[in-house]
Amino acid sequence: SQQGEEDPQALSIQEGENATMNCSYKTSINNLQWYRQNSGRGLVHLILIRSNEREKHSGRLRVTLDTSKKSSSLLITASRAADTASYFCATDAEAGGTSYGKLTFGQGTILTVHP
Amino acid sequence: DTEVTQTPKHLVMGMTNKKSLKCEQHMGHRAMYWYKQKAKKPPELMFVYSYEKLSINESVPSRFSPECPNSSLLNLHLHALQPEDSALYLCASSQYALAGPNEQFFGPGTRLTVL
Repeated sequence: SQQGEEDPQALSIQEGENATMNCSYKTSINNLQWYRQNSGRGLVHLILIRSNEREKHSGRLRVTLDTSKKSSSLLITASRAADTASYFCATDAEAGGTSYGKLTFGQGTILTVHP
Repeated sequence: DTEVTQTPKHLVMGMTNKKSLKCEQHMGHRAMYWYKQKAKKPPELMFVYSYEKLSINESVPSRFSPECPNSSLLNLHLHALQPEDSALYLCASSQYALAGPNEQFFGPGTRLTVL
């Protein structure tokens, strides 16, 4: 079954507002990553958080990870119309400290930022 | 050069055709991936190559045949496809597959239509 589940499925906000997306997963992970995809194009890596980290920042992005709840959130602050895209979490599952060597993507959140 | 290129951008083929998708990266990455993505769905992993050897095949039908001629190139040979194989095919690369965090760099994809 899909490793990552995301909510909300769709989010519509005004420019300048903050956007929060959540991701839940089921098994032990090595790390969790967030990607952005503009309509019909390739994915762009945004941020990676390791299993021993709790929070990470990159520009207007803030990611949290709670391994006890098997969940992560992505916060985009001061959103812009250019942030309109689909956002996916992806988990790098592991067993016994060894990565399986593949990412499993969540269902994604479609973010629309209105000017 | 931090780009993954894919050709062609669009491909229309009949069910009896043989065609190939190509992917290239010049970042010195040793892992390369093929994903299939249907509309409004997350990418689904098909194959992983690590150091030019096939390391993961996610039970993909044999009508899809991957090939890694060298560390920079990845091909996906298509034969006797079905209309349900129509999708966006994404190639990605990462520094390593099994060791270390595997942040992936994606190409823009090939939009495949099978008639």
